[in-house]
Amino acid sequence: QSALTQPASVSGSPGQSITISCTGTSSDVGRYNLVSWYQQHPGKAPKLMIYEVNKRPSGVSDRFSGSKSGNAASLTISGLQAEDETDYYCCSYASSSTLVFGGGTKLTVL
Amino acid sequence: QLQLHESGPGLVKPSETLSLTCAVSGGSISSTNSYWGWIRQPPGKGLEWIGSIYYSGTTYYNPSLKTRVTLSVDTSKNQFSLKLTSVTAADTAVYFCATKGPGGSFYYMDVWGEGTTVTVSS
Repeated sequence: QSALTQPASVSGSPGQSITISCTGTSSDVGRYNLVSWYQQHPGKAPKLMIYEVNKRPSGVSDRFSGSKSGNAASLTISGLQAEDETDYYCCSYASSSTLVFGGGTKLTVL
Repeated sequence: QLQLHESGPGLVKPSETLSLTCAVSGGSISSTNSYWGWIRQPPGKGLEWIGSIYYSGTTYYNPSLKTRVTLSVDTSKNQFSLKLTSVTAADTAVYFCATKGPGGSFYYMDVWGEGTTVTVSS
């Protein structure tokens, strides 16, 4: 079971849109529509932003959206704001009743 | 409102057993379809799923840690626990407990503890 692959960093200017990719395999991301995304500020617990590929929990801004194609999932943040600058992690259900996280992506708002 | 709180020793010696507890408040650990999980994060690194336990006691473990991990539920105390044996410096991390709120789910977690730092050192 290998970690999902995310870019180490992405950046964008305020108001722009960015996309963070999360690449897995046919045994996890590609097989199940059970990808979730977490936002984590330094020293804090992760916060659920997206679940089941594209669903937003109550209270999460609609600027956050998720999608999936094949073995890759994506998190898109539109209308970038300074407060979005932090770390993001994807997570997928995998075969044999396990969960696997991505390595994390640091988002910088320029 | 469901809340989780981790507790346990902040320092563990190499080769010994790491033991942590997650206290559940604002809800019952025996809620139908509830899964209770542990996730860790080494300093400066990403998140790693350790395992999850169903309210009935069925366990699910990360294959890379399976031989050293034991999860358990104590319904009388409304808490669940993690034991990790034969620890090394590589087990130094912030350990989080987490769950999905009302309705339960294995696949994602929307309630997290604040995390507890465990350092493995002699």
